[in-house]
Amino acid sequence: NAGVTQTPKFRVLKTGQSMTLLCAQDMNHEYMYWYRQDPGMGLRLIHYSVGEGTTAKGEVPDGYNVSRLKKQNFLLGLESAAPSQTSVYFCASSYPGLNTEAFFGQGTRLTVV
Amino acid sequence: AQSVTQLDSQVPVFEEAPVELRCNYSSSVSVYLFWYVQYPNQGLQLLLKYLSGSTLVKGINGFEAEFNKSQTSFHLRKPSVHISDTAEYFCAVEDSGYSTLTFGKGTMLLVSP
Repeated sequence: NAGVTQTPKFRVLKTGQSMTLLCAQDMNHEYMYWYRQDPGMGLRLIHYSVGEGTTAKGEVPDGYNVSRLKKQNFLLGLESAAPSQTSVYFCASSYPGLNTEAFFGQGTRLTVV
Repeated sequence: AQSVTQLDSQVPVFEEAPVELRCNYSSSVSVYLFWYVQYPNQGLQLLLKYLSGSTLVKGINGFEAEFNKSQTSFHLRKPSVHISDTAEYFCAVEDSGYSTLTFGKGTMLLVSP
């Protein structure tokens, strides 16, 4: 049982380049999330999705786009990467309902130079 | 919006000593609280969560937390720590009907022999 899988695990980008981070979950969860983790900042919500074809903005959405074309996948895109987007990105998923556990992927470490 | 404050960025402790990691949250009518642990270079794993009812919540690996509504706190405790408990611990509050989380900045627990 793979749970939540993120690809790639590491990436170095040049400023202005674009890339897509892929998140896949095999637990049939309705909800999916993208967070970024920065030193001393904890995790902050970028975007989330409550079902196939839906997306919503979180706390820090600027500079990112997302898509949820299939229930099991949630893509995070950077159209024009900036050094401020250097971070560790975590995808998570959960069942609907209050107070449900979120399951996290292993993270993608992105460096923008 | 909800907010979470973790008062200590680092907590050094000797093996087999007790530990308390502090967490305070902003007041709300209903509150759902979580503690997650992140081992080095890994994703987040749920330690425990507060649903309702009993204010003392037991989690995995011998951890427990006490919900205190009057002090808006949800401190994490363990009576005797092990080297393997060395990790970063995040307190989080659910802040929407879609299980999105607001995290504290994290507390690094450093257990030494």
